[in-house]
Amino acid sequence: GEDVEQSLFLSVREGDSSVINCTYTDSSSTYLYWYKQEPGAGLQLLTYIFSNMDMKQDQRLTVLLNKKDKHLSLRIADTQTGDSAIYFCAEVYNQGGKLIFGQGTELSVKP
Amino acid sequence: DTEVTQTPKHLVMGMTNKKSLKCEQHMGHRAMYWYKQKAKKPPELMFVYSYEKLSINESVPSRFSPECPNSSLLNLHLHALQPEDSALYLCASSQEGVEAFFGQGTRLTVV
Repeated sequence: GEDVEQSLFLSVREGDSSVINCTYTDSSSTYLYWYKQEPGAGLQLLTYIFSNMDMKQDQRLTVLLNKKDKHLSLRIADTQTGDSAIYFCAEVYNQGGKLIFGQGTELSVKP
Repeated sequence: DTEVTQTPKHLVMGMTNKKSLKCEQHMGHRAMYWYKQKAKKPPELMFVYSYEKLSINESVPSRFSPECPNSSLLNLHLHALQPEDSALYLCASSQEGVEAFFGQGTRLTVV
C-alpha cells in the first residue's frame, strides 16, 4: 500500500537552513510534491520534482530525491519567520492523480 | 492564473440542513478533487472527477454528493451531516495529475 512519512516538528532560528525529510513507498510515483499550509489557509504548491531527477532548485528551495532509498527532502535556505507553517510532502498514486500526503512537518522559525 | 476559488470560506450548518460547497478553476484542468482535512492532519481524498466524470469515490458516505456541472466547476452537496463532519474542505485541480493546485478551502462547522 501507499505510505508517506515525515517527522512532525522542526524548529530553527531565523537565517538558518531548514531541512524537512520525507520517505515514501510507491516506487512508481512519477511526481513528488511539497506543499505549504499556513494556519487557516489552503495548501500552496511550493515545488515538485519528477522522478527521473535527483535535484531541483528554485530560489531558496532545494529538493533532493534519492529514488533508491525513496527519500525526499526540502531544504529552505535563509529561513524566515514567514516560512513558519506545516509542510506536506506528497506523491501521486496511480493514474487517477490521487495525492498521498505525509503527516506534515510543523516548521517553527524563532527570531 | 493558478487560482482555484472556493465558496463560501466559512459555513455553519445544522444537522438537518442542506448546503453546497462550490469550486471553480479556469486553468483548463480536466481533473478536479475534493479533499477533507481535519486540524493538524493531512488532507484525505474524497472524490476525483476526470473529464467531468466521477472516477474515484473513496467510500465517502452518501450524505456527501459531488457534482461536476462542467469542466470548470465542482460542487459538493451536503445533507444530514454529523458534527464529526466538521472540517476544512479543500478543492483541487490538476492536468493529468501533475501540479495539483488547491483552493483556500471551506471551513465547515456542523452544529
